[in-house]
Order: sequence, then structure tokens, then C-alpha cells
Amino acid sequence: EDQVTQSPEALRLQEGESSSLNCSYTVSGLRGLFWYRQDPGKGPEFLFTLYSAGEEKEKERLKATLTKKESFLHITAPKPEDSATYLCAVRAARDDKIIFGKGTRLHILP
Amino acid sequence: GAVVSQHPSRVICKSGTSVKIECRSLDFQATTMFWYRQFPKQSLMLMATSNEGSKATYEQGVEKDKFLINHASLTLSTLTVTSAHPEDSSFYICSADRGLEETQYFGPGTRLLVL
Repeated sequence: EDQVTQSPEALRLQEGESSSLNCSYTVSGLRGLFWYRQDPGKGPEFLFTLYSAGEEKEKERLKATLTKKESFLHITAPKPEDSATYLCAVRAARDDKIIFGKGTRLHILP
Repeated sequence: GAVVSQHPSRVICKSGTSVKIECRSLDFQATTMFWYRQFPKQSLMLMATSNEGSKATYEQGVEKDKFLINHASLTLSTLTVTSAHPEDSSFYICSADRGLEETQYFGPGTRLLVL
């Protein structure tokens, strides 16, 4: 069964304290792994797509990496405005559906 | 680019009434749109896949007669919650597939409260 597991469920960091969010996945044929940011009461905002192991993408303080079993979202020197829920999702080649993890709620303290 | 809108953003209705939610892709044509439901602190659950000009494909456990989906054009899909009940209260989010890449672009969501 295709599934996505994110950890930790919640993370509190001090401003400037770098850390990483984990997304472990099992899927029959990966067509893409996606990271989204979701603010309370809003729809997810697209951040990155990764397609193959070893691929990395960066955007401001965020960097996403991918292996055959998991992806990491690294946050470098975060700011309070980075506080949000970060969602990981995979698209399976078998049925083309996107499966979401439950997300990591990130809170950056000033 | 890749902007998706939803209307209304919030709706409160009485039990037994029907509610229609619109999803529009503003700057691209979407051959496929998706409808999700999200409960507090939970992940997005796919309800159905909507293809322009054809019937929607519903996920297991989603009642197609209760959640009516119409994808009349390449930029508009609608979700109608028929005979709404309090347990239908949730956050409904649509997304659109641009066809150029593997990701989906999401609308801002609609908060439905059924009294």
C-alpha cells in the first residue's frame, strides 16, 4: 500500500535554529515527491517537486532532498514567518494519485 | 502563474440544504481538477477526480450522490454538497493539474459549517 509518513508531527524552534523535517514514503513507482506549505485556514502552497534519488532543490531558507525511501526538508536559520504546516506528498505511477502525509506543524519562536 | 481560486471562502448553512462550491483555474486550462476534504490537524483526503467533459471519479467511501461534481469547462469545476448535515462540516480544497508538470496547484479552500 502506498503511504507517506511525516515526522515529527510538530516542531518548535528558536529563530535562527536550523533543523530538518522528514518524509518517509513507500510507493509503487514514484512519479514525483512534493512539498507544500499550508498556513491555517488556507490551501497548500506548492514549494518543490523532486523526481529521483539524489535530487535537491532550494528556495530561500528551504532545501529539499530525496532518497529512495525518504525526503528531507531542511530549514536554515528560520524566521517566525516560516511557521506553518509543511506537507509532503507522493504521486504513484500505478494510479497517478497524489497521497499526502499528515504534515509537520512548524513553529518558529522569535 | 498557476493560480486557482475558490468561491465562497466560507459558508454557513442549515442542515438539509445544498451548498455549491466553485473552483476556477485563473491563468491556465486544467483538464483535471481534484477535490479534497481536510479535518483539523489532519491530512488532505482526496474525494474525487474531475475531468472536463466526463464523469468524476470518486474515491472509495465518498458518496457520489451526496457530493455532486461538475467539470463543465477547462477552467471551472463545482462541488455541490447535497442535503448537508453537520458531519459534512469541513474544509474543502480543490486543486488543478496544469498538465505541464507532475504537481497540482491548490485553491485557498472553502470552510463549510452546517448547523
